[in-house]
Amino acid sequence: AQSVTQLGSHVSVSEGALVLLRCNYSSSVPPYLFWYVQYPNQGLQLLLKYTSAATLVKGINGFEAEFKKSETSFHLTKPSAHMSDAAEYFCAVSGLMDSSYKLIFGSGTRLLVRP
Amino acid sequence: NAGVTQTPKFQVLKTGQSMTLQCAQDMNHEYMSWYRQDPGMGLRLIHYSVGAGITDQGEVPNGYNVSRSTTEDFPLRLLSAAPSQTSVYFCVSSYSPRTSGGNTQYFGPGTRLTVL
Repeated sequence: AQSVTQLGSHVSVSEGALVLLRCNYSSSVPPYLFWYVQYPNQGLQLLLKYTSAATLVKGINGFEAEFKKSETSFHLTKPSAHMSDAAEYFCAVSGLMDSSYKLIFGSGTRLLVRP
Repeated sequence: NAGVTQTPKFQVLKTGQSMTLQCAQDMNHEYMSWYRQDPGMGLRLIHYSVGAGITDQGEVPNGYNVSRSTTEDFPLRLLSAAPSQTSVYFCVSSYSPRTSGGNTQYFGPGTRLTVL
């Protein structure tokens, strides 16, 4: 069965510092991988997704993630944090093709950005 | 396009009451799903549908019913609400995964439900 682990329920960085949010997945075959962002009292917005093309995926708002099969990881990074990045971030995995609409989410990481 | 819409935005129920959470999408998506979000647990799949007339259970289906009579609508019914169903509910839709962009999920704004 697929599963997703997000290390750290809270991550705090200073404005301008590197953002690194960790995600590891468990799957028997390389799945589709996603990062979503959720601002307070809102729905989820797709940041980026990996669907077996390039292993380095660029998303919106300057975020990117690298798929590393050997480490079963899909960590999210941003070189320089902005105050507006403060939100909760979810990593998710899905199966391929006919199972790709069934998302399994990690428990989320809340990003705090200090001025 | 309005995208995925959900009503109501907020709801308070008493234990044992029933209600229906409405979800509609105007993108002609074949796939629709319901997730619940609870603190520290991420989002979990309740029920899903791969087309009109076809539904199936997800990870946490107990206490919920769904039906899909049209492509546009996918209501979620709570037959007898329990405090454990206090959560935020999201409706999600997408094209078939076999179409271009089919693995992109579109989220509704959510319904915040409290069961007393």
